[in-house]
Amino acid sequence: GENVEQHPSTLSVQEGDSAVIKCTYSDSASNYFPWYKQELGKGPQLIIDIRSNVGEKKDQRIAVTLNKTAKHFSLHITETQPEDSAVYFCALGGGSNYKLTFGKGTLLTVNP
Amino acid sequence: GAVVSQHPSWVICKSGTSVKIECRSLDFQATTMFWYRQFPKQSLMLMATSNEGSKATYEQGVEKDKFLINHASLTLSTLTVTSAHPEDSSFYICSARGGLGDVEQFFGPGTRLTVL
Repeated sequence: GENVEQHPSTLSVQEGDSAVIKCTYSDSASNYFPWYKQELGKGPQLIIDIRSNVGEKKDQRIAVTLNKTAKHFSLHITETQPEDSAVYFCALGGGSNYKLTFGKGTLLTVNP
Repeated sequence: GAVVSQHPSWVICKSGTSVKIECRSLDFQATTMFWYRQFPKQSLMLMATSNEGSKATYEQGVEKDKFLINHASLTLSTLTVTSAHPEDSSFYICSARGGLGDVEQFFGPGTRLTVL
């Protein structure tokens, strides 16, 4: 089945700095790459996603880049704020069953 | 945006009893609903996929007789944990996707199940 590696598992940054989380995958059939933010005790919230026909997508302070040749995609958060602190998950989709495979998550801590 | 609700948000039950969790799509019709389980400090693990009006498809290793899933309408799916045991204690999360071709999954807030 599909496999996705997510790094780093923990990331601590100072407020205002940038944060980058990277995921690599092996299944070239994957064509949907969402990122989710999960706060403690809550369900995941979709924050940005990208399809395989696009290399980069940006939404205010959040951006996602995709390199299909190298099979990796990354989440970029600029000007981090304490409220960005959460666990971030990347995921892969692309099958006709619409299932997602999740990375193991990154605990992001933004220090004031 | 699309909203998915779950009920209850938390439940405590005795070992051997059954617990039902509801998942509703509030402002869209969900062609497919997914059920996940998440243990502390771990990722989401897909348990099963359910399409309205048909039997759920379970992931390998998930007991279909223990985790009963019903998707009776386009806005409601239920997960029943039968004869619950302490090892079933976990955070159960549902998600839903909309119509033909939609790939986005919108997640519910989760249900914390504690089995004593």
